[in-house]
Amino acid sequence: NAGVTQTPKFQVLKTGQSMTLQCAQDMNHNSMYWYRQDPGMGLRLIYYSASEGTTDKGEVPNGYNVSRLNKREFSLRLESAAPSQTSVYFCASSELNTEAFFGQGTRLTVV
Amino acid sequence: ELKVEQNPLFLSMQEGKNYTIYCNYSTTSDRLYWYRQDPGKSLESLFVLLSNGAVKQEGRLMASLDTKARLSTLHITAAVHDLSATYFCAVDQERFGNEKLTFGTGTRLTIIP
Repeated sequence: NAGVTQTPKFQVLKTGQSMTLQCAQDMNHNSMYWYRQDPGMGLRLIYYSASEGTTDKGEVPNGYNVSRLNKREFSLRLESAAPSQTSVYFCASSELNTEAFFGQGTRLTVV
Repeated sequence: ELKVEQNPLFLSMQEGKNYTIYCNYSTTSDRLYWYRQDPGKSLESLFVLLSNGAVKQEGRLMASLDTKARLSTLHITAAVHDLSATYFCAVDQERFGNEKLTFGTGTRLTIIP
């Protein structure tokens, strides 16, 4: 019972490099999310997808793009990484009126 | 814009004592969630509160929701070391018509023997 799976778990990038964080869920949830977690700031929503084929900006979308590839998969892309994007990234999924289930997180460092 | 505030941000308490964490939010919502996070780990769902007056209990933790006051509480009874963690509340932004959680900044709880 995998739940929400994120890859990779750790990543170091140089400033200006690009990368894609992958997320997949096996719970048949319609909604998926990407959050970033920084010390003292809780979790901030980057993008979310209410259903397959739709995506919307969250609180901190600048510098990121997303793709809802199908119902299971929701990827987050950094086109040109910046040190300010050093953070822990969490993918989550949910259904209406139920709790969100989180992946194990990706610890990203941009140098 | 929805604001979710937790207090205290840090809490150090002795084993066996009782305490309450507060979660205030700024806009109408009747869907509130509590999560626990251990250091370096992911978030684990604790409670789902879906209506005014909802109360849920699990072991030494009890959560309640007052939608009129826009307030949720997480009460800890007779704390034990295993409860040391960071606790987050999250509120659903109802007006969007779908799940879109906004999180509080978290309460880091340390239980001292």
